[in-house]
Amino acid sequence: NAGVTQTPKFRVLKTGQSMTLLCAQDMNHEYMYWYRQDPGMGLRLIHYSVGEGTTAKGEVPDGYNVSRLKKQNFLLGLESAAPSQTSVYFCASSYRPGAKYYGYTFGSGTRLTVV
Amino acid sequence: AQSVTQPDIHITVSEGASLELRCNYSYGATPYLFWYVQSPGQGLQLLLKYFSGDTLVQGIKGFEAEFKRSQSSFNLRKPSVHWSDAAEYFCAVGGNSGGYQKVTFGTGTKLQVIP
Repeated sequence: NAGVTQTPKFRVLKTGQSMTLLCAQDMNHEYMYWYRQDPGMGLRLIHYSVGEGTTAKGEVPDGYNVSRLKKQNFLLGLESAAPSQTSVYFCASSYRPGAKYYGYTFGSGTRLTVV
Repeated sequence: AQSVTQPDIHITVSEGASLELRCNYSYGATPYLFWYVQSPGQGLQLLLKYFSGDTLVQGIKGFEAEFKRSQSSFNLRKPSVHWSDAAEYFCAVGGNSGGYQKVTFGTGTKLQVIP
């Protein structure tokens, strides 16, 4: 099925550990995004990419890095995890000219707990 | 800066009753507006969108929303709620920001449906 796939779905990290979340889309979307969702705060944009090889900071980028080496993949990295990064992470993608026409397609999320 | 306010954190309705979820936005120009639904443990799914034209837009699952520029509102409605509509609903506003179509999400309204 076409869509956005996130791996892993769940992860528990110890403080200071690192990890990478993978997002893959098969819709040939140009734009990709990483959000975090916390209770009562909605979705907040971490980083986004407008095309292969490009990335940019969103609202809450500190403590995260991203890479988009291939158009279909968008990786989110945590170099040294902190308890404040406990959250549910969502990846989304959209057509370049078409976010307002088509909206975003979201993955099913990664629940990360940092202890 | 663009923003979205969903004043109701939690709403409870009886099955078969009508529903209206409120959304107010702030944006300097004509916005494009979305409603998304999130079922437990799932990603967000686009219900409907508005970017121009008819101010009453129809979406999936029998939902509709009305754009009212004078009130800066984009309220979501459904004439008869089904138990399967229990979920969290997010309003979002989008606009152009330096060539990037920035989308800002509200904090969500959790809908409970009682039999």
